[in-house]
Amino acid sequence: DQQVKQNSPSLSVQEGRISILNCDYTNSMFDYFLWYKKYPAEGPTFLISISSIKDKNEDGRFTVFLNKSAKHLSLHIVPSQPGDSAVYFCAASALGAGGTSYGKLTFGQGTILTVHP
Amino acid sequence: DSGVTQTPKHLITATGQRVTLRCSPRSGDLSVYWYQQSLDQGLQFLIQYYNGEERAKGNILERFSAQQFPDLHSELNLSSLELGDSALYFCASSPSGVSYEQYFGPGTRLTVT
Repeated sequence: DQQVKQNSPSLSVQEGRISILNCDYTNSMFDYFLWYKKYPAEGPTFLISISSIKDKNEDGRFTVFLNKSAKHLSLHIVPSQPGDSAVYFCAASALGAGGTSYGKLTFGQGTILTVHP
Repeated sequence: DSGVTQTPKHLITATGQRVTLRCSPRSGDLSVYWYQQSLDQGLQFLIQYYNGEERAKGNILERFSAQQFPDLHSELNLSSLELGDSALYFCASSPSGVSYEQYFGPGTRLTVT
């Protein structure tokens, strides 16, 4: 039962253009969403997050959009740079659920982003 | 560098054996989380400890156990190892018991032969 899905295994964009990474979720208890970036031989690095009470959060070149009714979030990177080439993971948390869910992040499978110079 | 350290980086062992993975959280962080990343799966949450106490549990096998010590470092013990346990094991930490932004270590790659 995959509660967080990233349906595109890979994405290739040109330097300077926009990269859009998508993520869908099924658990309506999720109330906090995060994006992580991972380079080879390193652990995931936190990138940006959004609470379910918002629909947009921006940090420099990175913007996350949340559509609760569609249970969909996306990460926009503008402009894309070659150094952005990495695996991007979407993750979700059901903090409000408490109990055994507390502290657990549910991750998608990841999308490999390649930015060409 | 996230400030989270994990040892060893690589581990090769045989089926049926027992191994211990170690994690030191960022300075000041009270929570430690363990995740498993297999080849065909994303990151799977195993277990969380907060200030020495178990806080949340995921799909952790009974052959696996963890603990967090008074100095806040954590160990993940994997026993009766099977080929399917081969994976990357990540430790993450956060300042409190909530999982807003967890900071990940570089991982331990376990290979069971």
